[in-house]
Amino acid sequence: GAVVSQHPSRVICKSGTSVKIECRSLDFQATTMFWYRQFPKKSLMLMATSNEGSKATYEQGVEKDKFLINHASLTLSTLTVTSAQPEDSSFYICSAPPLSGVLQEQFFGPGTRLTVL
Amino acid sequence: GQQLNQSPQSMFIQEGEDVSMNCTSSSIFNTWLWYKQEPGEGPVLLIALYKAGELTSNGRLTAQFGITRKDSFLNISASIPSDVGIYFCAGEINAGKSTFGDGTTLTVKP
Repeated sequence: GAVVSQHPSRVICKSGTSVKIECRSLDFQATTMFWYRQFPKKSLMLMATSNEGSKATYEQGVEKDKFLINHASLTLSTLTVTSAQPEDSSFYICSAPPLSGVLQEQFFGPGTRLTVL
Repeated sequence: GQQLNQSPQSMFIQEGEDVSMNCTSSSIFNTWLWYKQEPGEGPVLLIALYKAGELTSNGRLTAQFGITRKDSFLNISASIPSDVGIYFCAGEINAGKSTFGDGTTLTVKP
């Protein structure tokens, strides 16, 4: 199946710093990627839809200035958590549906564990 | 927004037993998906259902898309220790945007 990678897998940072998380589709192209957030023992919550070449679409209640999304190419989307705070600590997961495949078959990255001290 | 009610929240079963879990919603979905997530990893798609009434199998897993398009179930037959994990249902209205259930945590005792 298609492979989605995320980098870094884990990051620990101090409050107030910004953290960039990369999501790459390794063997397929994706005009759209999705960013999810997951708290321990909880479900995945969709944060935003990343669109190649245009602005991201954010879900209700998600601050676009806090979570900056850039979809620079057909294989890369980045999520930057700006001025990170302890409450931003979470597991961030991206997903991508291949351009040429069945749209409903998303492939998820392995996730990035963010800990803000 | 849409909400999915997934049950049970957790299951503790003996190896070899069958497992059943389900999701219901007040909203209609065009697609139902079932995922498995292991600790520290992203979800992996198990089964995708595209038509109301559809029954699909993947090895020991069987899932059905409810006739009303508001529910789905997943069965696992003859469970084995590697079935341990969290199982999520997800419903889609628009391609790619999924609403996830709260998950069913499965523990299998050898």
